Amino acid sequence: RKEVEQDPGPFNVPEGATVAFNCTYSNSASQSFFWYRQDCRKEPKLLMSVYSSGNEDGRFTAQLNRASQYISLLIRDSKLSDSATYLCSSASKIIFGSGTRLSIRP
Amino acid sequence: EAGVTQFPSHSVIEKGQTVTLRCDPISGHDNLYWYRRVMGKEIKFLLHFVKESKQDESGMPNNRFLAERTGGTYSTLKVQPAELEDSGVYFCASSQDYRGGAEAFFGQGTRLTVV
Repeated sequence: RKEVEQDPGPFNVPEGATVAFNCTYSNSASQSFFWYRQDCRKEPKLLMSVYSSGNEDGRFTAQLNRASQYISLLIRDSKLSDSATYLCSSASKIIFGSGTRLSIRP
Repeated sequence: EAGVTQFPSHSVIEKGQTVTLRCDPISGHDNLYWYRRVMGKEIKFLLHFVKESKQDESGMPNNRFLAERTGGTYSTLKVQPAELEDSGVYFCASSQDYRGGAEAFFGQGTRLTVV
């Protein structure tokens, strides 16, 4: 079974919309997670860490649901520059799922 | 402080040739990871070093791929002999803390094209 799994998308939403996607994980012992962002032809870069209490950074909110073993990423007031692939991983083992492609249209 | 650096940035080789990719992690980072992204596909884990030891090499596609990290500093990934399907972008990442799960910093990747 894969470490993490994501809906590959693509999610195509208008600028200003709120969008959310999930990442399910298989190891119930995992304590914390990462959301990375990868732009086309670039390397992944850390977007935010996710702990049991969740995390919020501006327009981005990440939460951890231990009971259902998933983490979520919510983006409010989406911008054109948010278009990218979003990758999740456990913090203890940086193995990504398929990533979720997000495309923001004007 | 220098980030993760990878050499070369691009490599074009013929099928059957050998190529060696190099990754210099951030100084002091014990963890070093290799990944590969084939065109249009997801980024896939290849292997994980902790210092000079291979912690997990479950993602290595076959025995044509050999990764080393002598001395626990820089790492090399050799492909011998290269096949067409080996084309893609090879990323390296490093992180500081093994148990705590610290953020992994990525290099800019090596774009390998096998013709």
